[in-house]
Amino acid sequence: AQSVTQPDIHITVSEGASLELRCNYSYGATPYLFWYVQSPGQGLQLLLKYFSGDTLVQGIKGFEAEFKRSQSSFNLRKPSVHWSDAAEYFCAVYNTGFQKLVFGTGTRLLVSP
Amino acid sequence: DSGVTQTPKHLITATGQRVTLRCSPRSGDLSVYWYQQSLDQGLQFLIHYYNGEERAKGNILERFSAQQFPDLHSELNLSSLELGDSALYFCASSGTSGGLPSYEQYFGPGTRLTVT
Repeated sequence: AQSVTQPDIHITVSEGASLELRCNYSYGATPYLFWYVQSPGQGLQLLLKYFSGDTLVQGIKGFEAEFKRSQSSFNLRKPSVHWSDAAEYFCAVYNTGFQKLVFGTGTRLLVSP
Repeated sequence: DSGVTQTPKHLITATGQRVTLRCSPRSGDLSVYWYQQSLDQGLQFLIHYYNGEERAKGNILERFSAQQFPDLHSELNLSSLELGDSALYFCASSGTSGGLPSYEQYFGPGTRLTVT
């Protein structure tokens, strides 16, 4: 069965510092991968997606992610974090058989001044 | 704003009761998905409808049911509510690509259900 692992439950980053959130997936076929962000009391907003092609994908709000098939990873990065980036981030893989998203447990990002 | 709307935003009800959550997908999207988000279970897929037909079921309890209407809005019905049903319920919608549901899902703001 497909699964997504986000090994970091919480991460604290200083404002202006770089960020990397880890995501590992388990999926037999070509993965369709996503990162979503959830601000407190809000829904999930799609940050970026990977379907095929260039393994480095750009998203909204200055985020990017790199797909590494050999490591089954799809890590999210941002060169300089802003206080408004504090939120929970979810990595997800699309299960084409069941036509559903399988989510990781999320990483809560805290931004310190 | 994703274009997906959900009502109500908050719902407080008692155990044993029945509630209906409503979702309107983005204009033109044929697929509607329902997810439950709770502290202990995380984000769990419940059910998927495509153009009025049920396409997939996930971890949906028998006390829960859903439907998608001809105008493509969807309703999630939760009955015989228990304390453990307290959660955020999200609706998401997606379009089509090559005649199949697109992989990208856009989420509504959610309905927070509190069962007391």
